[in-house]
Amino acid sequence: KQEVTQIPAALSVPEGENLVLNCSFTDSAIYNLQWFRQDPGKGLTSLLLIQSSQREQTSGRLNASLDKSSGRSTLYIAASQPGDSATYLCAVSSARQLTFGSGTQLTVLP
Amino acid sequence: NAGVMQNPRHLVRRRGQEARLRCSPMKGHSHVYWYRQLPEEGLKFMVYLQKENIIDESGMPKERFSAEFPKEGPSILRIQQVVRGDSAAYFCASSPPGRSDIQYFGAGTRLSVL
Repeated sequence: KQEVTQIPAALSVPEGENLVLNCSFTDSAIYNLQWFRQDPGKGLTSLLLIQSSQREQTSGRLNASLDKSSGRSTLYIAASQPGDSATYLCAVSSARQLTFGSGTQLTVLP
Repeated sequence: NAGVMQNPRHLVRRRGQEARLRCSPMKGHSHVYWYRQLPEEGLKFMVYLQKENIIDESGMPKERFSAEFPKEGPSILRIQQVVRGDSAAYFCASSPPGRSDIQYFGAGTRLSVL
């Protein structure tokens, strides 16, 4: 059974810092890995999707890496801003479902 | 090009009532998934449906919960005799044929049981 763990559960940083969020998964037989952003009381916004054959994806200040053999992914956020404050969810895809981590709650202080 | 539409956005029920949550997939998508997010937790898979067919319901509670995706109309997640522990956000996702690995999410329905 796939299990996804995200560390840390919460993170608070001053504006402008670069930061890394971590995600690990137990079963390397995945189709892809996706990072989502969730604002309080809101839905999910897809940030980056990495196919299982890829090593990384970049979008603006975000960079996500995938090491399938070790079951790890990182989300790097450069030059953080208060608007980045949200919960970040990692999800791995099997043939029929996504398995989510519990998220990292990020607060960027102005 | 509308995304995945869920309604209602918020639903309040008293214990013992029924809750019906609706999900219309993106245009051209034939697969629907339901996930539940309990307070302070990540999303948990509940059920995967295609038109008139349940493909995987391994995440559905054994009692009181059911889901359908009829030939016409939205997918419905139905919770009978709701209890306080059913209070959660319920998210629906859809995917195009043959691409269940890429899912697009709706804004969710937040169910509160009084």
